[in-house]
Amino acid sequence: EPEVTQTPSHQVTQMGQEVILRCVPISNHLYFYWYRQILGQKVEFLVSFYNNEISEKSEIFDDQFSVERPDGSNFTLKIRSTKLEDSAMYFCASSEFREQYEQYFGPGTRLTVT
Amino acid sequence: AQSVTQLGSHVSVSEGALVLLRCNYSSSVPPYLFWYVQYPNQGLQLLLKYTSAATLVKGINGFEAEFKKSETSFHLTKPSAHMSDAAEYFCAVRVQGAQKLVFGQGTRLTINP
Repeated sequence: EPEVTQTPSHQVTQMGQEVILRCVPISNHLYFYWYRQILGQKVEFLVSFYNNEISEKSEIFDDQFSVERPDGSNFTLKIRSTKLEDSAMYFCASSEFREQYEQYFGPGTRLTVT
Repeated sequence: AQSVTQLGSHVSVSEGALVLLRCNYSSSVPPYLFWYVQYPNQGLQLLLKYTSAATLVKGINGFEAEFKKSETSFHLTKPSAHMSDAAEYFCAVRVQGAQKLVFGQGTRLTINP
């Protein structure tokens, strides 16, 4: 069964450094998403991406964040200058269409900022 | 704005007992509702979804949920708990016209032998 994959599974970085989290969505899916879950808190929406542009973003997704689909398979989340509060589990998801169809989630990347 | 409330951050049941995980939503327009399960060190896996068809929805692993508009609820049930059901369960809502999922805070289910 097709699945969303994410690399790395765990990333440790120092405050102020840039990180890139990578995701390979399911191949025939058109919509891509990033969510994050700070330890002990809710899963929160960050951004959705369709047709090579951001289609929706949350207030969390400020200028230090960016997303890109550099080729036909990868979908990346870049954090330009990491802060301690960026430490979280980051989930990538994809879906075939809008609304009705469920989002398929990857296993997550645990980001630790020291 | 839409929101989801899961009553009980931690639920503990005996093996073979009924599982009931509660979810209430707030939405001004008809929602799509989902239950996801997260096993340790894994991603979120869809259990079931409500998308305005039948109000009683059956999912994987013997789980089901009933959409009750009058109560704005979408509680998850399973008649007989199994040890392998121990996990974290998340209720989520997606509003028509929007793309994002809004999650509840999750309920950790523990199964006692």
